[in-house]
Amino acid sequence: QVQLQESGPGLVKPSQTLSLTCTVSGGSISSGGYYWSWIRQHPGKGLEWIGYIYYSGSAYCNPSLKSRLTISVDTSKNQFSLKLSSVTAADTAVYYCARDRGPGSYSFDYWGQGTLVTVSS
Amino acid sequence: QSALTQPRSVSGSPGQSVTISCTGTSSDVGVYNYVSWYQQHPGKAPKVMIYDVSKRPSGVPDRFSGSKSGTTASLTISGLQAEDEADYYCCSYAGSYTHVVFGGGTKLTVL
Repeated sequence: QVQLQESGPGLVKPSQTLSLTCTVSGGSISSGGYYWSWIRQHPGKGLEWIGYIYYSGSAYCNPSLKSRLTISVDTSKNQFSLKLSSVTAADTAVYYCARDRGPGSYSFDYWGQGTLVTVSS
Repeated sequence: QSALTQPRSVSGSPGQSVTISCTGTSSDVGVYNYVSWYQQHPGKAPKVMIYDVSKRPSGVPDRFSGSKSGTTASLTISGLQAEDEADYYCCSYAGSYTHVVFGGGTKLTVL
């Protein structure tokens, strides 16, 4: 059973960089075949896809966030990470990591529990 | 504004059927058979209920079904049960630039 767990600061100051890590257990990122994804949900709002990364390091990002976004993978630790720079209050959200079944399906079959990140001074 | 359009709310009585629509464009729902549906209870992570338009993951009751016609996908829940009350989101692949788009979500109320 694949499990994902987000970790990182719950409070970030405006203009700083939001950094989160997702640790995967029960399966290896290196096995391939899946995209490892970040999705966020603003308070009381819908889901927004942030981006995903393949084990090789190829990353694809939401065009609206691309200029501020870095997604990376560390296969040795079975983790992938998100860095979002120059944050504002509009980046306050619950951030989820998830596994995307990848080409041929593009659906998210395993999710982390989510972590609330608040942007405030 | 979300890329895919869903009704904000739907409701039904136990045992009845409800259908939630998800309208996209010729760049996403209309061209790719990669529509998925997610159920989200308050404070919980979303759970996939349907993928590839109409496929059900193991463990999802067959009361849940999906379909697509043109640029509109639909999720039908038959034999409504109290535990089906939740928010439902549709999602579609949208090509190599946009990649993934979600609907704004539909709140299902079981009366």
